Amino acid sequence: GNSVTQMEGPVTLSEEAFLTINCTYTATGYPSLFWYVQYPGEGLQLLLKATKADDKGSNKGFEATYRKETTSFHLEKGSVQVSDSAVYFCALRPFTGGGNKLTFGTGTQLKVEL
Amino acid sequence: GAVVSQHPSWVICKSGTSVKIECRSLDFQATTMFWYRQFPKQSLMLMATSNEGSKATYEQGVEKDKFLINHASLTLSTLTVTSAHPEDSSFYICSAPPGNDYGYTFGSGTRLTVV
Repeated sequence: GNSVTQMEGPVTLSEEAFLTINCTYTATGYPSLFWYVQYPGEGLQLLLKATKADDKGSNKGFEATYRKETTSFHLEKGSVQVSDSAVYFCALRPFTGGGNKLTFGTGTQLKVEL
Repeated sequence: GAVVSQHPSWVICKSGTSVKIECRSLDFQATTMFWYRQFPKQSLMLMATSNEGSKATYEQGVEKDKFLINHASLTLSTLTVTSAHPEDSSFYICSAPPGNDYGYTFGSGTRLTVV
């Protein structure tokens, strides 16, 4: 079946540090890949997405590249801010079947300190 | 962009009572709505998928009679937690595909506390 594996958190960084949150997936074919962000007490917001191999999703300084060869979709940001503190979820939507269901990773909590 | 309005944002209820959570798609028609449950510091667990005009599809292990889902129109899906108990306390989130092929829109979540 489909699955998403994320690095365990929490990840604690100083402001302006470089961020990487690893995400790998297992799926047949070419799933669509997503990163969602959840701020405390809120629902999830789409951060970025990629729908085919070698696509790079980007938003608000965050980037992730769809790597088919390594089945990865790692999230990166060059300089984090305190306001980036949140939980980040990697997710996939299968290319076929699955009924439009998203498969989520376990989430990675990011804490950015001054 | 596509917006799903979820309310209430939080609710406290007594054991044995029922609570209804609503999710409305504000600027698009949602033929499908996904309902998730999230425990503290854990990922989202898909509970069920509601489809407008038909019965909801529940995931394995989810009690259909406890978590009643109704999708009466293209803009409204509801989750009713019946005879709530403290173990039902959780964060519930709805989500809808907005009609394009990729992004899913999430409600802001409902924090349910059963006392």
